[in-house]
Amino acid sequence: QVQLVQSGAEVKKPGASVKVSCKASGYTFTDYYMHWVRQAPGQGLEWMGWINPKSGGTNYVQKFQGRVTMTRDTSISTAYMDLSRLGSDDTAVYYCVREDMIIFGGVLDANWFDPWGQGTLVTVSS
Amino acid sequence: DIQLTQSPSFLSASVGDRVTITCRASQGISSYLAWYQQKPGKAPKVLIFAASTLQSGVPSRFSGSGSGTEFILTISSLQPEDFATYYCQQLNSYPRTFGQGTKLEIK
Repeated sequence: QVQLVQSGAEVKKPGASVKVSCKASGYTFTDYYMHWVRQAPGQGLEWMGWINPKSGGTNYVQKFQGRVTMTRDTSISTAYMDLSRLGSDDTAVYYCVREDMIIFGGVLDANWFDPWGQGTLVTVSS
Repeated sequence: DIQLTQSPSFLSASVGDRVTITCRASQGISSYLAWYQQKPGKAPKVLIFAASTLQSGVPSRFSGSGSGTEFILTISSLQPEDFATYYCQQLNSYPRTFGQGTKLEIK
């Protein structure tokens, strides 16, 4: 079945960087954009950006520009999200998620996020 | 950026009740809207996409409607497993914004 499996929890000090991995299985990795979404404790969902696994192209939300880098290794169907200069407000669960879609007549008819990885808790603490 | 505003933010209801959650977009998004359910400690799960299409495997008591700027998620008869937080998301443009969430609690 289609599945995304993420790396384990991380504890980092302020100012450090973290790299979270997301291994895809059950589908052709390069056929779907991969997004990253985070959720601070008790808060809502925050979209961070996407990577096109086929081309390596990326699109980041302005808030994270200069601090986030999304990459991929197509040989092992794995996407990565690297976040630098961590602060306490970066403590959150980070999710990778595939954007699924229906194309009809060459036009996007519908799109949605599915499946989601299980999440990776990143704790930033001195 | 397109803002999504969900109402209510909190909802208290009983098993068997019919409930509705509204999601309003700050500008038109056609039907590029999805609804997700999230339970504590778990990743979100898609319920509905394209505003009204039920994801495979999702019970038929869930339904969605709307287009443009106003959307509604309806649960026709609440079951114990439906108590969770619900989010809407627009996929019309970037950034892919989410509503702030609606927490559905047992009365």
